[in-house]
Amino acid sequence: AQSVTQLDSQVPVFEEAPVELRCNYSSSVSVYLFWYVQYPNQGLQLLLKYLSGSTLVKGINGFEAEFNKSQTSFHLRKPSVHISDTAEYFCAVSARTQGGSEKLVFGKGTKLTVNP
Amino acid sequence: NAGVTQTPKFQVLKTGQSMTLQCAQDMNHNSMYWYRQDPGMGLRLIYYSASEGTTDKGEVPDGYNVSRLKKQNFLLGLESAAPSQTSVYFCASSTGVLYGYTFGSGTRLTVV
Repeated sequence: AQSVTQLDSQVPVFEEAPVELRCNYSSSVSVYLFWYVQYPNQGLQLLLKYLSGSTLVKGINGFEAEFNKSQTSFHLRKPSVHISDTAEYFCAVSARTQGGSEKLVFGKGTKLTVNP
Repeated sequence: NAGVTQTPKFQVLKTGQSMTLQCAQDMNHNSMYWYRQDPGMGLRLIYYSASEGTTDKGEVPDGYNVSRLKKQNFLLGLESAAPSQTSVYFCASSTGVLYGYTFGSGTRLTVV
């Protein structure tokens, strides 16, 4: 079964510093990969997704992620963070249900705190 | 705005009480999902529905039931609430997993 591991539960950084949030997945089949962001007291919003093709995916708010099949990783990066990037970030992988439909399996999340 | 609407936003229940969490989407999506979010646990799938009239269990279905009588609505029921069901509940909908999910803003449920 597909699973997702987010290697860091909390990541503190200073404003304007670069950041990398790490995500590894396990799957024996081709997958779709996603990053979602959750701002305090809100629902989740899609940041970016990898379906196929170029391994470097660009998303909203200056974020990008790189798909690495050999490392089974999909790390999220931003070259210079802002205070407003403080949020929880979730990595997700597509998976098939027992009934044959598809769903997303989420990691446990990484809380990014950007300090002034 | 188009999207997924969850009601109520907040709810406090006493142990043993029942209630229904409501979810409505206006994007004509076939699939709908209920997740619960607990600190350090991420999002765990409770139930999902691939199409109107069909539902299936997710990872943590015990103590819950669901109903998808109309395409736009997906209801989550708690028959006899327990403190372990204190959580934030998110509904999501999708037209296909490769498009990702659209999430509601959540229902914060406390069972005392």
